Amino acid sequence: GQQVMQIPQYQHVQEGEDFTTYCNSSTTLSNIQWYKQRPGGHPVFLIQLVKSGEVKKQKRLTFQFGEAKKNSSLHITATQTTDVGTYFCAGPKDQTGANNLFFGTGTRLTVIP
Amino acid sequence: DTEVTQTPKHLVMGMTNKKSLKCEQHMGHRAMYWYKQKAKKPPELMFVYSYEKLSINESVPSRFSPECPNSSLLNLHLHALQPEDSALYLCASSLTGGGTDTQYFGPGTRLTVL
Repeated sequence: GQQVMQIPQYQHVQEGEDFTTYCNSSTTLSNIQWYKQRPGGHPVFLIQLVKSGEVKKQKRLTFQFGEAKKNSSLHITATQTTDVGTYFCAGPKDQTGANNLFFGTGTRLTVIP
Repeated sequence: DTEVTQTPKHLVMGMTNKKSLKCEQHMGHRAMYWYKQKAKKPPELMFVYSYEKLSINESVPSRFSPECPNSSLLNLHLHALQPEDSALYLCASSLTGGGTDTQYFGPGTRLTVL
């Protein structure tokens, strides 16, 4: 079955340091979405990437979709304590065009003040 | 209004109880979803409703029974649950259910089965 792995599983950084999480799918994805879940909270949509090799930026966050559309990354520059949470990538489970998201394993980010 | 609401926030039930989880959105979305999330794990899709019809059932046991009374409401009826069903149950909605939709999640119901 489909697998979407994220590395690292956990990351502790000092405030101000950069952070990157990598997402690798066993299958080609038509698009990839990124969500953030704060401790005790619910997933919140961050961004969607559709095109091969696409790069999108949101302030200190940079998202990239691989050329083969099987991997993606999220890079945060100069982390802040508000960045704490678990970052999930997610893609459609199959090629039917339905929005049946399959979430990656997640990377839990801790930012030390 | 860009909010998905869920009630109750917390629920404790015995294995012989029958209870229901409720979800509501007023964004005009026509697709609604139920997810199950165990601690320190990613959300797992359970059901998808598109235009009030069940379009996806991810092989969920029959002790979970979804219902979509109208385009704004989604229920999850629970009966004869097991302790391993204890989890955070998340509801989400999106515009049409298409593959590029953004999903908006509710705060979840934290369920404990004794």
